[in-house]
Amino acid sequence: DAGITQSPRHKVTETGTPVTLRCHQTENHRYMYWYRQDPGHGLRLIHYSYGVKDTDKGEVSDGYSVSRSKTEDFLLTLESATSSQTSVYFCAISESVPSNEKLFFGSGTQLSVL
Amino acid sequence: DQQVKQNSPSLSVQEGRISILNCDYTNSMFDYFLWYKKYPAEGPTFLISISSIKDKNEDGRFTVFLNKSAKHLSLHIVPSQPGDSAVYFCAATDTGRRALTFGSGTRLQVQP
Repeated sequence: DAGITQSPRHKVTETGTPVTLRCHQTENHRYMYWYRQDPGHGLRLIHYSYGVKDTDKGEVSDGYSVSRSKTEDFLLTLESATSSQTSVYFCAISESVPSNEKLFFGSGTQLSVL
Repeated sequence: DQQVKQNSPSLSVQEGRISILNCDYTNSMFDYFLWYKKYPAEGPTFLISISSIKDKNEDGRFTVFLNKSAKHLSLHIVPSQPGDSAVYFCAATDTGRRALTFGSGTRLQVQP
């Protein structure tokens, strides 16, 4: 299994509070991704990183920010959580672009915003 | 607007029979396609892929077919086993693009 750790695994928070999810990898892969999974929508890309301090938006980036200060860590922050951000969040890593190398996913973080 | 569509949310088949999961895409720039499999409480795992220069790719019991003119791909599982029960996601990208676009998934249940 690829060395990807997501923390926390489960979190319950209140509307309006800030939340940070962490993804840690031990594979030294260049690319890191944050996806959310929702019924009827599948996996949707939030943000991704193609190197330290290099990030870009995905299709559902509103309300989220990311940071990557080290190769191994990719943080996803909800500045002010809303109920619509209740979801399962997956981190993924890849050595190269997806047409060259497969993505490996973490086990996910279940976030509930009440 | 969903660029990758899986129109069947669920599929149930008998053990030993063929499972066929379908996927359609709208973006003509896509030239690389993948299937991921997901069990409950786990992350998705890569299953099989196909480049647009091919129309078929096979790996054991799993075969992916690509029909570029129809912008359609399908995953065949033969024979289906109870352990294949999972959610299957279709994904697409174009060469050099940095991210995948996923479909909404199809839940496959293989009945013993």
